[in-house]
Amino acid sequence: RKEVEQDPGPFNVPEGATVAFNCTYSNSASQSFFWYRQDCRKEPKLLMSVYSSGNEDGRFTAQLNRASQYISLLIRDSKLSDSATYLCVVNRGDFNKFYFGSGTKLNVKP
Amino acid sequence: EAGVTQFPSHSVIEKGQTVTLRCDPISGHDNLYWYRRVMGKEIKFLLHFVKESKQDESGMPNNRFLAERTGGTYSTLKVQPAELEDSGVYFCASSQGYKKLAGRSEQFFGPGTRLTVL
Repeated sequence: RKEVEQDPGPFNVPEGATVAFNCTYSNSASQSFFWYRQDCRKEPKLLMSVYSSGNEDGRFTAQLNRASQYISLLIRDSKLSDSATYLCVVNRGDFNKFYFGSGTKLNVKP
Repeated sequence: EAGVTQFPSHSVIEKGQTVTLRCDPISGHDNLYWYRRVMGKEIKFLLHFVKESKQDESGMPNNRFLAERTGGTYSTLKVQPAELEDSGVYFCASSQGYKKLAGRSEQFFGPGTRLTVL
């Protein structure tokens, strides 16, 4: 079983739409959670860390459900520039390695 | 401030040859990581340096891969001899933070080296 599972998509949405991505992780000892964004043929870049209480950064909201081992990312009012692959990343508490999901591709269309 | 840099950006070699990848982390970052993404798969951890010491090399696929970080600054990853299945994108990342804080710290990624083994 993979450490981190994501729906690969693609999600094709119109500008202005709200879209949600989900991610599950297999190890209950996981301690830190992140969403990274990766543009085509570029490096992953941190979008936001995910905290237990949930957190929001502008149009982006991240939620963590430890009981279900589930992380979500909500994007409101999608922009063309949001088109990218969104990577769910988990640190298991062995405080070094990041475990990546395979990514969810988002295409925002005019 | 300069980000993580990697060299070369692309490398095409034949099976059996040797390739050396280089990573320069962000200045002052003691933690340096190597990751790899092979076609159709997720990004996977290879190893982690703290300064010049290997903290965790559990992700290294076999003894054809050798990583070094002399002096605790830049790092090299050598593949010798290269095999077809080594093709992929090799990312380097760096972060601040010590011990458990390292796991909560953002890792900054370089642009990657795209390796093709023919």
